[in-house]
Amino acid sequence: SAVISQKPSRDICQRGTSLTIQCQVDSQVTMMFWYRQQPGQSLTLIATANQGSEATYESGFVIDKFPISRPNLTFSTLTVSNMSPEDSSIYLCSVETGGANTEAFFGQGTRLTVV
Amino acid sequence: AQRVTQPEKLLSVFKGAPVELKCNYSYSGSPELFWYVQYSRQRLQLLLRHISRESIKGFTADLNKGETSFHLKKPFAQEEDSAMYYCALYTGGFKTIFGAGTRLFVKA
Repeated sequence: SAVISQKPSRDICQRGTSLTIQCQVDSQVTMMFWYRQQPGQSLTLIATANQGSEATYESGFVIDKFPISRPNLTFSTLTVSNMSPEDSSIYLCSVETGGANTEAFFGQGTRLTVV
Repeated sequence: AQRVTQPEKLLSVFKGAPVELKCNYSYSGSPELFWYVQYSRQRLQLLLRHISRESIKGFTADLNKGETSFHLKKPFAQEEDSAMYYCALYTGGFKTIFGAGTRLFVKA
């Protein structure tokens, strides 16, 4: 299993500013994933973060807007840059254990409101 | 293409009624399928996996390769089952594809 600590749990930010979300895992993992979730709606994968290489972004997401760091095998950050109200959402960090009994584990999420 | 489809965004049933949350997938390999659940104010978590063939909280899901489906069923819904449910497909390489999710609302 994996325990994920994500912070901040929520924030209210002014448009045009940036927010960095931190994700800490209690074990070493190869990949970490960042999702966006509209409240009560679908999960949208933003990017996959590997340690030691640039993150891989999904269609519709770019590094300039969502820069990601992955300095080691237990930690990652996602920055939401130059925020607008459309960025208001819940951002989730996730890891996948892989193997025969693979399971995805999630952080508690960061609820971002841009005003 | 690898894809998970949940056709219903919202499903509302009365307490005690049967419930079925639909999930269809598209995958060329041998699929590993899961249902994840998110209760109010809780984090997303695994509910069940098709490999285990187990019943969790009264829920079961059978993989039907012919119909490429993995529907989640429960014979008698309870109010505490109200949550967001995501069907998911593990594609290997530590990556899971999630469906759009279905919100289940169980009415008293």
